[in-house]
Amino acid sequence: AQSVSQHNHHVILSEAASLELGCNYSYGGTVNLFWYVQYPGQHLQLLLKYFSGDPLVKGIKGFEAEFIKSKFSFNLRKPSVQWSDTAEYFCAVTPGGYQKVTFGTGTKLQVIP
Amino acid sequence: ETGVTQSPTHLIKTRGQQVTLRCSSQSGHNTVSWYQQALGQGPQFIFQYYREEENGRGNFPPRFSGLQFPNYSSELNVNALELDDSALYLCASRPGLAEDTQYFGPGTRLTVL
Repeated sequence: AQSVSQHNHHVILSEAASLELGCNYSYGGTVNLFWYVQYPGQHLQLLLKYFSGDPLVKGIKGFEAEFIKSKFSFNLRKPSVQWSDTAEYFCAVTPGGYQKVTFGTGTKLQVIP
Repeated sequence: ETGVTQSPTHLIKTRGQQVTLRCSSQSGHNTVSWYQQALGQGPQFIFQYYREEENGRGNFPPRFSGLQFPNYSSELNVNALELDDSALYLCASRPGLAEDTQYFGPGTRLTVL
């Protein structure tokens, strides 16, 4: 069965600091990878996704993620965080065919002004 | 706002009761997925409906069942409620099986006493 691990449960950063959130998955076949974000009081929304092609994908609000197949990782990065990035971030994986999506446990990011 | 609505917002039930949660998908979306999000956890995939038929199921017992209607709205039914069923139940819709971006609703908070 596929699984997703997010190693950081709670991250606190000052504004302008760089961010990297870890995500590792276990699944032997082809996967589609996602990062979702949930801002306080709002719905879950897609931040970025990787299906194929360039392993470095760019999403909304200056976020990017790199798929490293050999490490089964899909880490999320942002060079300089803002207070408005305070939210919970979820990594998710689905095998090709999109029939079952597995989410990680989430990372709460708090950005201090 | 994503155009996906869920009702009710909150619900309190007692052990052994049955509950029905409702989801209205975004206009034009024929695929609906349901997730259970326990406190401090990521969403867990329950099942997915495509054009009124179940198309993919997670590791949930048969007392979790669903329906999708011709207008693509959906219901999640849970029988014989247990305390561990207390969670936020999320619905997500997308335009089709081949589409990768899901649009999440605000969720229904179920408390089982």
